[in-house]
Amino acid sequence: QVQLVQSGAEVKKPGASVKISCKSSGYTFTSHFMHWVRQAPGQGLEWMGIINPSGDSTTYAQKFQGRVTMTRDTSTSTDYLELSSLRYEDTAVYYCARDVSAVTSWWFDPWGQGTLVTVSS
Amino acid sequence: SSELTQDPAASVALGQTIRITCQGDSLRTFYASWYQQKPGQAPVLVIYGKNNRPSGIPDRFSGSNSGNTASLTITGAQAEDEADYYCNCRDSSAFLWVFGGGTKLTVL
Repeated sequence: QVQLVQSGAEVKKPGASVKISCKSSGYTFTSHFMHWVRQAPGQGLEWMGIINPSGDSTTYAQKFQGRVTMTRDTSTSTDYLELSSLRYEDTAVYYCARDVSAVTSWWFDPWGQGTLVTVSS
Repeated sequence: SSELTQDPAASVALGQTIRITCQGDSLRTFYASWYQQKPGQAPVLVIYGKNNRPSGIPDRFSGSNSGNTASLTITGAQAEDEADYYCNCRDSSAFLWVFGGGTKLTVL
């Protein structure tokens, strides 16, 4: 079955960077885009960006431009999200989610289990 | 950038029907997808496209669309349907996506 498995929880200091991984299995990795979504404690879902199947093109939400980098390693079917210059408000659960699409329709399925990033001094 | 608007909260009596709505300009161009999220869990896709359910999602979940509004309907709500529900859609003019603010559904 299609599965996305993310790396474990991280604790970082303000100003540091964090890199989260998302390993895919059960489907052709290079046939799908991947989204990253985050959720601050008690808050809603926030779309961060998307990487294309070959890994050579990304689109980031304006809020994160300049601080976020999405990459992928097609040899290991793994996506990475790096967020730099961490602030307290970056404390959140970060999810990867596979993109699936049809004409005029896109959806995220499945989702990784989430990675908690805590920014604390 | 586009926005999607959802009511923050809704409630339904056990076994009754509830419609959760999502409004936004991008819904005039693209279909929304809907996600159910229970506490401490990752979101799960429940509706996508015009009105499609992934395997394993009960048929009491359905979707509909009209103008700038997408709706998720639960017909005969069950206790296990108590959760947060989020809509999502691609922006109509840019390669980016947006989530609605979410609706917290209580089953009474």
